Amino acid sequence: NAGVTQTPKFQVLKTGQSMTLQCAQDMNHEYMSWYRQDPGMGLRLIHYSVGAGITDQGEVPNGYNVSRSTTEDFPLRLLSAAPSQTSVYFCASSSAGAGANVLTFGAGSRLTVL
Amino acid sequence: GDSVTQMEGPVTLSEEAFLTINCTYTATGYPSLFWYVQYPGEGLQLLLKATKADDKGSNKGFEATYRKETTSFHLEKGSVQVSDSAVYFCALSDYNNNDMRFGAGTRLTVKP
Repeated sequence: NAGVTQTPKFQVLKTGQSMTLQCAQDMNHEYMSWYRQDPGMGLRLIHYSVGAGITDQGEVPNGYNVSRSTTEDFPLRLLSAAPSQTSVYFCASSSAGAGANVLTFGAGSRLTVL
Repeated sequence: GDSVTQMEGPVTLSEEAFLTINCTYTATGYPSLFWYVQYPGEGLQLLLKATKADDKGSNKGFEATYRKETTSFHLEKGSVQVSDSAVYFCALSDYNNNDMRFGAGTRLTVKP
């Protein structure tokens, strides 16, 4: 089925390790974004992209890097993981911006940093 | 900045009960308003939306009306089912920016 695919679904890291969460969509959406979901805080925007080669920061960008080399892929990199980055991460895409059209979400990636 | 405040949960109801989940917002512009639903182990899915004042969004028996005068977008359903058990998120987004702001989420459990 068409949609947003996130990998891995689960990951355990030690403090200081690095990793990349992968996100791919096959709907030719220009807009892609990463959110983190923490109990009692809803979803908070980490980074977003409005097209290949264009990225920008959201509400909580510190500790995360992104790049957008193709329309389909939008990986999220943790350069030096910290326990505060323990969370569930969601990738979402839209054909035009966050508000103009509906966001399609991936199933999520649960990250634990020890 | 723009923000959303929604009713804290969890909410537990019996099947066929009436549901209201309150949501209020703060925004400088004219945002679009959304309700998303998250079923266990899944990502969020759009439930309904409204893009201007007095619009009513509806889907699967759920309704919400965009009230500019009270800055509210309360979610209602007349008769809930066990299958409605999920976490519900109110959200807003201004057309001119790319940041969708979500409420903290309200967990609904419906018992048979």
